[in-house]
Amino acid sequence: DAKTTQPTSMDCAEGRAANLPCNHSTISGNEYVYWYRQIHSQGPQYIIHGLKNNETNEMASLIITEDRKSSTLILPHATLRDTAVYYCIVIRNTDKLIFGTGTRLQVFP
Amino acid sequence: SQTIHQWPATLVQPVGSPLSLECTVEGTSNPNLYWYRQAAGRGLQLLFYSVGIGQISSEVPQNLSASRPQDRQFILSSKKLLLSDSGFYLCAWTSGNMYQETQYFGPGTRLLVL
Repeated sequence: DAKTTQPTSMDCAEGRAANLPCNHSTISGNEYVYWYRQIHSQGPQYIIHGLKNNETNEMASLIITEDRKSSTLILPHATLRDTAVYYCIVIRNTDKLIFGTGTRLQVFP
Repeated sequence: SQTIHQWPATLVQPVGSPLSLECTVEGTSNPNLYWYRQAAGRGLQLLFYSVGIGQISSEVPQNLSASRPQDRQFILSSKKLLLSDSGFYLCAWTSGNMYQETQYFGPGTRLLVL
């Protein structure tokens, strides 16, 4: 399985866009990029996933580089409730998920 | 070291039949336990989580239920399966610390309801 590299922590002002990067330089052609987040005392929450094209849903946007070696999760208008650990995971759809360290995003007023 | 077990690995059940999936964790005490479902081509959906014996929180309304009879045992059940219950069911645990670096998942159970 491809491994991912994310910054340990990030801060973001409330109302601003939060851009969370992820490197996955060894990704293979059949592996998707998934983003999850874990808010305190809760299980991981699915945010978005993509294969090649950029994706957008009601929660976030996912920008994947053309070579697929990195991606960025964008929360367009961060709120205090977006404070969480964000996990970038590269897997095939049938794989078992293993959450790495993720990025601890702190949104401040 | 900690390990997490799930069984059975695969299961084919007719619509309307009951279901019981079991998850056990070894090598840790008082874990937070989670049941997830992943439908084909979809993200992981949290179904239930438990912070202790007899304590179950449900994330989505459904015909499934969960129980935690022992500290390291988590059971997913249904009285009557629906076609929409097909999917890949994952059990996971964490130490209960938000900054736990890794959430460990079991091998999963593939359920096909026909």
